[in-house]
Amino acid sequence: EAQVTQNPRYLITVTGKKLTVTCSQNMNHEYMSWYRQDPGLGLRQIYYSMNVEVTDKGDVPEGYKVSRKEKRNFPLILESPSPNQTSLYFCASRSRGPGHQTNNSPLHFGNGTRLTVT
Amino acid sequence: GQQLNQSPQSMFIQEGEDVSMNCTSSSIFNTWLWYKQDPGEGPVLLIALYKAGELTSNGRLTAQFGITRKDSFLNISASIPSDVGIYFCAGLAGNMLTFGGGTRLMVKP
Repeated sequence: EAQVTQNPRYLITVTGKKLTVTCSQNMNHEYMSWYRQDPGLGLRQIYYSMNVEVTDKGDVPEGYKVSRKEKRNFPLILESPSPNQTSLYFCASRSRGPGHQTNNSPLHFGNGTRLTVT
Repeated sequence: GQQLNQSPQSMFIQEGEDVSMNCTSSSIFNTWLWYKQDPGEGPVLLIALYKAGELTSNGRLTAQFGITRKDSFLNISASIPSDVGIYFCAGLAGNMLTFGGGTRLMVKP
């Protein structure tokens, strides 16, 4: 089954304790992205990656890091989490970048990771 | 970054009623997308719009790409309980996909 898998689904941590949220896709997609979802703000892009070893900042990259060492994985790293990073995080992937018109491939989302930083 | 204004923020309607929601932006987008998010899950694509003026249907859903390329609307006809969820518009410009704030739809049986 084609899917985007995030882990963990829920995480409660304390300020300053480094954490990593993993994301893996089994569809051989080139493009992967991380979003955070906050009430009334929709989904805001944190980082995205057009392919292996290529990453770019989205709208809200501060406080986050990513890596793309292999095609299937795109972990999100919070080196020193703070309470304002409490949010619902989504990883997503698609083939050939986000231009849906090129091959009509939709953006596949994971089921989310709810992070609470106290 | 670019901003999408999505309205209404929430709707509480009776089963069988039609629903309309829209998104506006100060910027031009090349593609408009509408997603639905069920509780505990990630957003799922409902409709994609690629040309200004385009009107596309998917079952009871109809969406239009505004002629100015700065807005889009989504209509749901004859709503049913499983329509409950959060609906997001999204605009694509270059490599950036920008989401609206979402419309939470609640349907009363």
